[in-house]
Amino acid sequence: QQKVQQSPESLIVPEGGMASLNCTSSDRNVDYFWWYRQHSGKSPKMLMSIFSNGEKEEGRFTVHLNKASLHTSLHIRDSQPSDSALYLCAATPATSSGQKLVFGQGTILKVYL
Amino acid sequence: GGIITQTPKFLIGQEGQKLTLKCQQNFNHDTMYWYRQDSGKGLRLIYYSITENDLQKGDLSEGYDASREKKSSFSLTVTSAQKNEMAVFLCASSTLGVYAEQFFGPGTRLTVL
Repeated sequence: QQKVQQSPESLIVPEGGMASLNCTSSDRNVDYFWWYRQHSGKSPKMLMSIFSNGEKEEGRFTVHLNKASLHTSLHIRDSQPSDSALYLCAATPATSSGQKLVFGQGTILKVYL
Repeated sequence: GGIITQTPKFLIGQEGQKLTLKCQQNFNHDTMYWYRQDSGKGLRLIYYSITENDLQKGDLSEGYDASREKKSSFSLTVTSAQKNEMAVFLCASSTLGVYAEQFFGPGTRLTVL
């Protein structure tokens, strides 16, 4: 069964610091990765997605993907207290019959003043 | 833009009870999903419906039934609630396509006494 593993489980960074979150799929058929952010008591919202090798930057957020190792990472620079949330990585298998997303267990990020 | 509405927001049931959760979306999306999220953890797919007359089981379908009444609505039934079960059930929708972004509703929080 496909699994998406995220690390670390939780992360604490100071305001202004860099947060780095990791995600790896054990399914070789995965070809699209998503990062969702979920603030406490709220619903998940898509942050970024990536399917090409390399990196993609949007403001303070950068996503990397290494397709050979099926590893993606999310980096948040100049972290703000409002970035404190549960970060969920999800993967879409290329052979998916339908539109299934498989989610990891998440990384809890806390940014302190 | 659009919105996803889930009812009820909180649901308290008794062990063995049959419970129904409802979801409505006005995005005019073809595909709808039901996920379960245990406290602070990742999402697990219960059922999804690619188009109005379709129904697909996810990895966690045992103990649940689903019904796509019309394009805009998707219901989930807990067939026999388990004592001490506590989770948030999230409904999502997307356009057609394997790589379509999923948009989430606010969730229904279930407590079983």
